[in-house]
Amino acid sequence: AQSVTQPDIHITVSEGASLELRCNYSYGATPYLFWYVQSPGQGLQLLLKYFSGDTLVQGIKGFEAEFKRSQSSFNLRKPSVHWSDAAEYFCAVGAFEKTSYDKVIFGPGTSLSVIP
Amino acid sequence: GAGVSQTPSNKVTEKGKYVELRCDPISGHTALYWYRQSLGQGPEFLIYFQGTGAADDSGLPNDRFFAVRPEGSVSTLKIQRTERGDSAVYLCASSPDGSSYEQYFGPGTRLTVT
Repeated sequence: AQSVTQPDIHITVSEGASLELRCNYSYGATPYLFWYVQSPGQGLQLLLKYFSGDTLVQGIKGFEAEFKRSQSSFNLRKPSVHWSDAAEYFCAVGAFEKTSYDKVIFGPGTSLSVIP
Repeated sequence: GAGVSQTPSNKVTEKGKYVELRCDPISGHTALYWYRQSLGQGPEFLIYFQGTGAADDSGLPNDRFFAVRPEGSVSTLKIQRTERGDSAVYLCASSPDGSSYEQYFGPGTRLTVT
């Protein structure tokens, strides 16, 4: 069965600093990978997704993520963080097996705080 | 256009009571998903509907939990004999055609069982 780990429970960065949120997955086949963001009182919003092709994926709000098969990782990055980026970030993996529909497994999340 | 809506936004109930949580998906979306998010955790899959039928209910924790989608649009998650451990945020998502590629999430219903 697939699983997702996010090693950092909470991260604090200064506004304008760069950001990297870590995500590791476990899945027997080629995974489908996602990053979602959840702001307080808001639903989850898809930041970006990886299905195939270029391993560097661009998303909304200036975020990008890189798929590294050898490391089973899909880390999220942003070169310059804004105060509005403070939120909970979830990495997720899709088990798109031929005999079943699509089921997404979420990691435990990383809480991001931004210092002015 | 309108996104996924969930009602109520908050629900407080006593242990042992019955509750219903409602989800209105984006119009035209055939797939609907329910998740449960406990404090400090990521969303946990509960059930998936394709149209009116539950295509996968393997995430429902026990037979106290049940969900319906009688007309292929609005869905109701029903919890009988609630327990304190049921306290969580219940999230609903919909997607156009049954693919998880583009799931649109609602704001959730925060359920508190006292």
